[in-house]
Amino acid sequence: GAGVSQSPSNKVTEKGKDVELRCDPISGHTALYWYRQRLGQGLEFLIYFQGNSAPDKSGLPSDRFSAERTGESVSTLTIQRTQQEDSAVYLCASSPDRSSGNTIYFGEGSWLTVV
Amino acid sequence: KQEVTQIPAALSVPEGENLVLNCSFTDSAIYNLQWFRQDPGKGLTSLLLIQSSQREQTSGRLNASLDKSSGRSTLYIAASQPGDSATYLCAVETTDSWGKLQFGAGTQVVVTP
Repeated sequence: GAGVSQSPSNKVTEKGKDVELRCDPISGHTALYWYRQRLGQGLEFLIYFQGNSAPDKSGLPSDRFSAERTGESVSTLTIQRTQQEDSAVYLCASSPDRSSGNTIYFGEGSWLTVV
Repeated sequence: KQEVTQIPAALSVPEGENLVLNCSFTDSAIYNLQWFRQDPGKGLTSLLLIQSSQREQTSGRLNASLDKSSGRSTLYIAASQPGDSATYLCAVETTDSWGKLQFGAGTQVVVTP
């Protein structure tokens, strides 16, 4: 596809369940990011992958959150034992090699509601 | 810690007027600054990217300026149209936080016909 693709687009889950969110970056983009946006709030950085380097996980809010990336392709964000405060839109973004300061392209997000 | 502030939080103008959106940041050691547009229920669309060595970028009716020394960027949208209604976000990437964009809370713009 031409853009960053995220799935599912909407997810309603019960408190305590685990969820997986998927991101397909733009082909050839070596950098991949996850951000979170709670209702009425700004974007929060979660995690950043750059090529084969160790990811920057400094934004993950708790050990219930984890993310993986297979090479320079798909990434999965996993939230274990979901809580109501995890309800938010989770945005994935990708860009070419960040060393050249390229534009970052966002997907349309995965809307998570924990009930 | 970098803090990004956008003023005003909301703005309503009649069609045809020029829009001026402000973004300020506390740490001038930035790598770049990017302006995004967010439509309701949608992701972010990048509008303009200004590298730290640049003073401005232009694309069509959009012009963004950057003054690192004063920690400010301004987004100008000329001859606004109803289709410009959206939330506009600025984000900075500092040199010691590679890959982490620090976002402002955004300016919600409504352009009335």
